[in-house]
Amino acid sequence: GQNIDQPTEMTATEGAIVQINCTYQTSGFNGLFWYQQHAGEAPTFLSYNVLDGLEEKGRFSSFLSRSKGYSYLLLKELQMKDSASYLCAVRDGNYGQNFVFGPGTRLSVLP
Amino acid sequence: DGGITQSPKYLFRKEGQNVTLSCEQNLNHDAMYWYRQDPGQGLRLIYYSQIVNDFQKGDIAEGYSVSREKKESFPLTVTSAQKNPTAFYLCASNAGRVNNEQFFGPGTRLTVL
Repeated sequence: GQNIDQPTEMTATEGAIVQINCTYQTSGFNGLFWYQQHAGEAPTFLSYNVLDGLEEKGRFSSFLSRSKGYSYLLLKELQMKDSASYLCAVRDGNYGQNFVFGPGTRLSVLP
Repeated sequence: DGGITQSPKYLFRKEGQNVTLSCEQNLNHDAMYWYRQDPGQGLRLIYYSQIVNDFQKGDIAEGYSVSREKKESFPLTVTSAQKNPTAFYLCASNAGRVNNEQFFGPGTRLTVL
């Protein structure tokens, strides 16, 4: 089967660092994607990992461990505009190369 | 500007009526997708199409239908057979290569009264 888990909600303070975890069990793996989604809007792409290790993009970093079926998204120097849902998605080669999405983590950044 | 458009943003229908949601992309992407999003849940795949004139059912296809007559267009019809159609519907496209992310349209919020 396919299963992706993320914490439902997280709260952090402006200027702080927050780590959002994602664990997955899929029959195939062709990469893990992170998206940001503000309420009522479309998801926007943040990062892509296919090999183990850390990918850094400005204030955002994403880590992958394929052997553990684990990824995290790290957000530094949090800003109020980072309040959003963060979606973890795995591209599954055994599922028509489709994307399997986790439930999303709703992050609230407080002043 | 390249992108994906969905219309309308908000749609209201009476129970028992079929309704068609539009999705158009000018990104020259081969693959297109329809997702449903309910509060507190992730995106669930309704239908997908990897190429023109071909489409496949996703996890929750019952009560929905699609067509893919043109590369740019992938309309979704929500039929009266869909038991709980009120939801946020997202269309996406993808260039098809394994490392390509999906691009999403702005979504249509459908409310059935």
